[in-house]
Amino acid sequence: EAGVTQSPTHLIKTRGQQVTLRCSPISGHTSVYWYQQALGLGLQFLLWYDEGEERNRGNFPPRFSGRQFPNYSSELNVNALELEDSALYLCASSTYGTPEAFFGQGTRLTVV
Amino acid sequence: GQQVMQIPQYQHVQEGEDFTTYCNSSTTLSNIQWYKQRPGGHPVFLIQLVKSGEVKKQKRLTFQFGEAKKNSSLHITATQTTDVGTYFCADNTNAGKSTFGDGTTLTVKP
Repeated sequence: EAGVTQSPTHLIKTRGQQVTLRCSPISGHTSVYWYQQALGLGLQFLLWYDEGEERNRGNFPPRFSGRQFPNYSSELNVNALELEDSALYLCASSTYGTPEAFFGQGTRLTVV
Repeated sequence: GQQVMQIPQYQHVQEGEDFTTYCNSSTTLSNIQWYKQRPGGHPVFLIQLVKSGEVKKQKRLTFQFGEAKKNSSLHITATQTTDVGTYFCADNTNAGKSTFGDGTTLTVKP
């Protein structure tokens, strides 16, 4: 069974640009979570989607947004990139209501 | 907002020694989760504790949830080099919005 897949694995963007990150959950999982992990730090919750709807949101500015598609895959969009947006962006999926979340390998975003 | 504080930030041990990481909250938690992240890898779910005073074991790993549900610990007995990584606790009291501690990074010297 395929795990959570994220694309791209690495990305370099210029300050002010926009970026879209993609996530495909494990088959059968309806919930998708997005986290930001700055180098050497813990995970900061960004967004939670389930059944196509945004269920919860972390303390990030509106330029961080996303969506979930009917096939449960998800996109994370970041507009007007800033240098401090450089981080590993992790996607996780789970079955709604179960505690165990499965993480993808992440997308390493570097903003220069 | 709710925060979970995790200590220590780093722990260096000799192979065979024990290791413990602690997670503390100023407010009562509905549950606590533990994850392990190997260097260069992604977090992997280890366990969730829900009940006051709960203790769960996974081989050499022992997880505890405090009686007041404000703290938790992960103890590894007789560490091995395969135990290296960063161990995170996470509070999922706010459904779907897990708040992670900053992690304890364990290095094991053979």
